[in-house]
Amino acid sequence: AQSVTQLDSHVSVSEGTPVLLRCNYSSSYSPSLFWYVQHPNKGLQLLLKYTSAATLVKGINGFEAEFKKSETSFHLTKPSAHMSDAAEYFCVVSDRDYKLSFGAGTTVTVRA
Amino acid sequence: GAGVSQSPSNKVTEKGKDVELRCDPISGHTALYWYRQSLGQGLEFLIYFQGNSAPDKSGLPSDRFSAERTGGSVSTLTIQRTQQEDSAVYLCASRQTGVQGDTQYFGPGTRLTVL
Repeated sequence: AQSVTQLDSHVSVSEGTPVLLRCNYSSSYSPSLFWYVQHPNKGLQLLLKYTSAATLVKGINGFEAEFKKSETSFHLTKPSAHMSDAAEYFCVVSDRDYKLSFGAGTTVTVRA
Repeated sequence: GAGVSQSPSNKVTEKGKDVELRCDPISGHTALYWYRQSLGQGLEFLIYFQGNSAPDKSGLPSDRFSAERTGGSVSTLTIQRTQQEDSAVYLCASRQTGVQGDTQYFGPGTRLTVL
């Protein structure tokens, strides 16, 4: 079985400062990991994915994540937050059939 | 090209009534998934279709829930005798199988409210 734990339910940052969203995973095999973003009243959008290639994954809108097997982590970062980054972020792990298991989500607020 | 579409976008029903939710996947995507997003349970997997194989129904919460996929394309999720705890956003996703088939693309969801 696989699961993810998002360590922060809410993160608040000032515009222009770095963003860090933490995620730990559990999987019985080499996992596929994803970060999805959901803006208010919008659908889920894929930010980036890790599927056993490079451990540092770059996504859209300046986000990146690093897969660390030794720490079973897949933290999401962005060097400089923008107001448009305010949203809910989900760390996701998939099984061999690509059924997704979602973390509880992290709500990001960006202060002007 | 067109993304995943779902209808209706909103559905309000009375407790005990049956509802049908529709999903149109991306053309050519052979894998289709239904998920539910609710306040209490977060995002959870419901059912998975892959080509002509028997669906994986392991996530369906009760026998009031069923789904079918006709012609390998459109899918309908049916909830019979709806209960208030069925209120949630129901999301559909499709995936292209093959070498590049590791990403699911989500529709906008159907918000179901059971009064």
